[in-house]
Amino acid sequence: GESVGLHLPTLSVQEGDNSIINCAYSNSASDYFIWYKQESGKGPQFIIDIRSNMDKRQGQRVTVLLNKTVKHLSLQIAATQPGDSAVYFCAETSSMNRDDKIIFGKGTRLHILP
Amino acid sequence: DAGVTQSPTHLIKTRGQHVTLRCSPISGHKSVSWYQQVLGQGPQFIFQYYEKEERGRGNFPDRFSARQFPNYSSELNVNALLLGDSALYLCASSSGFGNQPQHFGDGTRLSIL
Repeated sequence: GESVGLHLPTLSVQEGDNSIINCAYSNSASDYFIWYKQESGKGPQFIIDIRSNMDKRQGQRVTVLLNKTVKHLSLQIAATQPGDSAVYFCAETSSMNRDDKIIFGKGTRLHILP
Repeated sequence: DAGVTQSPTHLIKTRGQHVTLRCSPISGHKSVSWYQQVLGQGPQFIFQYYEKEERGRGNFPDRFSARQFPNYSSELNVNALLLGDSALYLCASSSGFGNQPQHFGDGTRLSIL
């Protein structure tokens, strides 16, 4: 069945270091992937997306990598800051669906060490 | 520019009651989706409306219903509330349909006593 999972539920990173959050998906039909950041008491905040015709996309301090061969997605955050502390969700959807249903994983909590 | 706005922010109800949650999408966005997020988990898809028509429904009972108005705002209704309906209800909007970034509001925290 469809699923989006995360390898690590909690990630602790030293401030200033780079963070890498990994995600596995199982639906071969998924062709659009999104990373969201959710801070306590707030809704998910869009970070970056990538379509299946790409394998890398960069934003401001963030990079998403997509490996369709092994169905793996990662989010890299450069020079991690205290404000990056949050739960990060990878999510997927498919243009083959009749709707735009996003399937979320359970999330990875990113903890920044001083 | 205003993001997705939801009201109320918090709500307490008792079992058996009904509730109406409201969502205003980002200006110009025609698609609205509703998600339920239980503590410690990722959001689960409930409904999507696009151009006032239901485009998708998740695995939720018929007690859950929604609609979209001509101004693209939306309401989520839940009848015969159960304890298990306690969750954060999120609304997301997107400009179009099909692999478009969805932007979320901060949700309505619903607590059932």
